[in-house]
Amino acid sequence: GDSVTQMEGPVTLSEEAFLTINCTYTATGYPSLFWYVQYPGEGLQLLLKATKADDKGSNKGFEATYRKETTSFHLEKGSVQVSDSAVYFCALINRRGFGNEKLTFGTGTRLTIIP
Amino acid sequence: DGGITQSPKYLFRKEGQNVTLSCEQNLNHDAMYWYRQDPGQGLRLIYYSQIVNDFQKGDIAEGYSVSREKKESFPLTVTSAQKNPTAFYLCASSILVLGQGNSPLHFGNGTRLTVT
Repeated sequence: GDSVTQMEGPVTLSEEAFLTINCTYTATGYPSLFWYVQYPGEGLQLLLKATKADDKGSNKGFEATYRKETTSFHLEKGSVQVSDSAVYFCALINRRGFGNEKLTFGTGTRLTIIP
Repeated sequence: DGGITQSPKYLFRKEGQNVTLSCEQNLNHDAMYWYRQDPGQGLRLIYYSQIVNDFQKGDIAEGYSVSREKKESFPLTVTSAQKNPTAFYLCASSILVLGQGNSPLHFGNGTRLTVT
């Protein structure tokens, strides 16, 4: 079945450091890929997405490129801020059916930014 | 403002009691979902519903029940049959687009259930 593997946390960085959170996936066909973010005490919010190979999703300074050859969707940000401290989830969905019931999540990576 | 409301934020119950978690949305979304979040395990789908009066089991439905009598509401009951009910429960909703399962999920802020 489909699966998502993300780098284990927690990850601790200093403010203004460069961030990479690795995500690789296993899926048949051509899945869509997502990054969700969960701030303390809240639900998840969609951060960015990419729906086909070589697409780059971007939002709030974060970027991720859909790499089919390496089955990866690594999350990057050039200069992190304290407000980026959160848990980040990589997820995929295969294009079957027309709901999100087949959305598969990674285990999440907790990111802490220190001033 | 449109959104998803889960209540209560924290819930405590004794073992052997059923408990119902509320989820209401005013986004006019057709589909609603319940996920369970445990440390180190990501999110796992419990139940989902794409239309009123219909719902389907997710990956870990045992010990849970749902109803979808109204489009806006999708309550989850954690029954005494659920062996490890203590967890963080997240409700979500989305629009449905035929042939494309990639419309974003909108999440509530969750309910943390503790059973002792």
